[in-house]
Amino acid sequence: GENVEQHPSTLSVQEGDSAVIKCTYSDSASNYFPWYKQELGKGPQLIIDIRSNVGEKKDQRIAVTLNKTAKHFSLHITETQPEDSAVYFCAAGKWKNYGQNFVFGPGTRLSVLP
Amino acid sequence: NAGVTQTPKFQVLKTGQSMTLQCAQDMNHEYMSWYRQDPGMGLRLIHYSVGAGITDQGEVPNGYNVSRSTTEDFPLRLLSAAPSQTSVYFCASSYDSYEQYFGPGTRLTVT
Repeated sequence: GENVEQHPSTLSVQEGDSAVIKCTYSDSASNYFPWYKQELGKGPQLIIDIRSNVGEKKDQRIAVTLNKTAKHFSLHITETQPEDSAVYFCAAGKWKNYGQNFVFGPGTRLSVLP
Repeated sequence: NAGVTQTPKFQVLKTGQSMTLQCAQDMNHEYMSWYRQDPGMGLRLIHYSVGAGITDQGEVPNGYNVSRSTTEDFPLRLLSAAPSQTSVYFCASSYDSYEQYFGPGTRLTVT
């Protein structure tokens, strides 16, 4: 089945610097790649996503890139702020029977130091 | 709009006990899912539903039952709790199974 790896597991950056989190997936049939942010004690929140027919997507300080040939995708956060500190999860989605089924990466704990 | 709500927030069970985790959404979403989150691991899909009366298994369905009688509600039942089911459980809903909205979670401990 699908396997999603995520690196690094922890990441500390200075406020204002950029942060990059990388994920690789194994199933070439995966076609949808969302990124979620989870703050302590809360449920994950979708921050950006990309579909397999797109190579890059940007939303203000957040961008995602996808390389389907290499089966990897990355989250880029520029001008980091303390409120970006959280755990970030990537996921790979594939259609199964009735809808998208997702396999999640293990998460990256991002700390933005003021 | 309350979004996705889950009850209870915390629960402690003894091995062998049964319970139902409740999930409700007010966004009129057809797709609803249950995940469990364990330390050092991503979320793993337990069961999902694409509308009233239609459910399907996810990656880790054993030990859990679901049914969906209304669009709003998607309860998760543990028939005989085991310590391996100690986890944080998240419910999610989606309009088209792509963009998912997660609830705040239920932290379950089985002793």
